[in-house]
This record gives sequence, C-alpha cells and structure tokens, in this order.
Amino acid sequence: GAVVSQHPSRVICKSGTSVKIECRSLDFQATTMFWYRQFPKQSLMLMATSNEGSKATYEQGVEKDKFLINHASLTLSTLTVTSAHPEDSSFYICSATDRSNQPQHFGDGTRLSIL
Amino acid sequence: SQQGEEDPQALSIQEGENATMNCSYKTSINNLQWYRQNSGRGLVHLILIRSNEREKHSGRLRVTLDTSKKSSSLLITASRAADTASYFCATDTQGAQKLVFGQGTRLTINP
Repeated sequence: GAVVSQHPSRVICKSGTSVKIECRSLDFQATTMFWYRQFPKQSLMLMATSNEGSKATYEQGVEKDKFLINHASLTLSTLTVTSAHPEDSSFYICSATDRSNQPQHFGDGTRLSIL
Repeated sequence: SQQGEEDPQALSIQEGENATMNCSYKTSINNLQWYRQNSGRGLVHLILIRSNEREKHSGRLRVTLDTSKKSSSLLITASRAADTASYFCATDTQGAQKLVFGQGTRLTINP
C-alpha cells in the first residue's frame, strides 16, 4: 500500500524557534499533499493544500507567513512553523494523494511542543 | 470548517459485540470515507463509498450511505480489542481535492 513518512515524530523546542516538518511519499508520486492540525481529542483541521510545483492554498485563518509550506518535488512537502510559540503546540499531520478524490494516505504525525 | 457530525462521540462495548457509528454532513458530496486513528498516530483509510452507492463491505466493516438524509454509518462486526481507536468520517465534493472531517467517535473495546 501507499506509504507516507513524516519526520520528526516529536519535537520539543524553545519559543521563537523555527521548526521544519517533512512529509514524504515513499512509493508513489504525491501530486497533492495536505497539512492538518489536530488538538487533543478533536478532529483534524485542514491548514493548507499543496500541489507540486505551485504555491500552497491556505485555509481561512491560517497564516501563510507563519506556516510555510514547500512542495518542491512529487515525493516531498515540508511545513515550517516559523518563530514558534506555545500556542503553536499541537499534533501536525500530513497526507498525500496521487489523484484527486482518491484516498489520502497519512503520515504518522508530528507532536510539536513549544516551551 | 468541519461539516461532519459524528455520533456517538464515545462508545464503549465488550469484545465480540458490534459497534455502530454514525456520521451526518451538510452539503452534497462526491465521496464519503471512513478513517481510523490510533492514539497519537496518523489516520488509516478504511473504506470509501461514492455518492451513488448505498452500501459497501470490507471484511468486518459495513458502511451505508443515505444521501437523502445526508448520513452514513460504519458498522464493525465481532469487535476486537485492536479495534479500539477513534473513527472519523470525511467527505469531499465534486471538483475539490480536500476532505472535511467529522468530529470523530472514540471507540473502546473492552476485553
């Protein structure tokens, strides 16, 4: 089956640090990748949709200068949380799909803790 | 925005019993999918049902879709302890790539 690898799985860092999270499709070409945020015991909130080679489309209320997304190749997308603060602490999950409306394949998530 | 409402929010049953979870949505959809999430992990795709389908089976899973009521149900038969997880429905609309997730049902299977 399609495998998506997300790294790192856990990050603990000081306030003001920028953190980069990688999302890789290991055995398929991901034309589209999605970034989600999930608070404890809540559902997934879509942050942005990323198509290879083009700018990400951000959901309303998501600061594009705060959450930088790069999707430079068909197998890699990165999310950089710039100048992270404690309120950015959350579980971030990526997913990827190779065709529109086909099942999204999810990474295992990154738990980000900002002290 | 989250358009899916799932019910119940939490469900606890004995191993071997059947578990039923429901999902309602607000707008017309193209597909509806169910995902499972183990604690602290990503989501695993379970089953996709298209808007022109009414029922679908996969192993111990049975999904129904009623577009007139804008609702779906997921039935897990003969539950096992390993089925303990959160279950989410997700919908997409024609021409849109993104999924909108429901609030999820936390299922606990007691041995």
